[in-house]
Amino acid sequence: GAVVSQHPSWVICKSGTSVKIECRSLDFQATTMFWYRQFPKQSLMLMATSNEGSKATYEQGVEKDKFLINHASLTLSTLTVTSAHPEDSSFYICSASQTSNQPQHFGDGTRLSIL
Amino acid sequence: GQQVMQIPQYQHVQEGEDFTTYCNSSTTLSNIQWYKQRPGGHPVFLIQLVKSGEVKKQKRLTFQFGEAKKNSSLHITATQTTDVGTYFCAGNSGGSNYKLTFGKGTLLTVNP
Repeated sequence: GAVVSQHPSWVICKSGTSVKIECRSLDFQATTMFWYRQFPKQSLMLMATSNEGSKATYEQGVEKDKFLINHASLTLSTLTVTSAHPEDSSFYICSASQTSNQPQHFGDGTRLSIL
Repeated sequence: GQQVMQIPQYQHVQEGEDFTTYCNSSTTLSNIQWYKQRPGGHPVFLIQLVKSGEVKKQKRLTFQFGEAKKNSSLHITATQTTDVGTYFCAGNSGGSNYKLTFGKGTLLTVNP
């Protein structure tokens, strides 16, 4: 149980392109999902908390207009990196938990490379 | 804000040796979770500790939660090459806040 699917796994695109990443909880409903960014050999940095039916809560320093988050249903959250530039290249990972104080289960992550 | 410190950053051991990684939170936690991330992979949930002084075991892995619920440790007995990866602790401050604050992780490499 508690499977989280993230798509796509890899994205390589030109600078200026917008990229959309999907995160789905396959066998449970997730009121809250999380989006992280991870640089090579570093820890996970929380970007935002995605709440179903309401606006996402962004961490300090994360540009809301740059990283658009939509949580349309209890099983789907999307992260759109708008007008991506090389400095946005990173490993983006989503996670979801069934309730507060429950473990977070992570998607496989998306490796984004902006040329 | 809440900070979670984790040491050591790297640990290289010979197969069969023991390994320990430590976490310390700047604030009291509701629970602490441990994750393992293999190179190129995503974090995989290992365990959650909730009670003060709690000790849990998973085969060769022993997890402890401090009495003050501010620190935790993961100990691996007789490491194997399959134990290679980065081990992260993540603290949850509780309430309606689902957020986890991750430590920087400990990269474990095992020499066969």
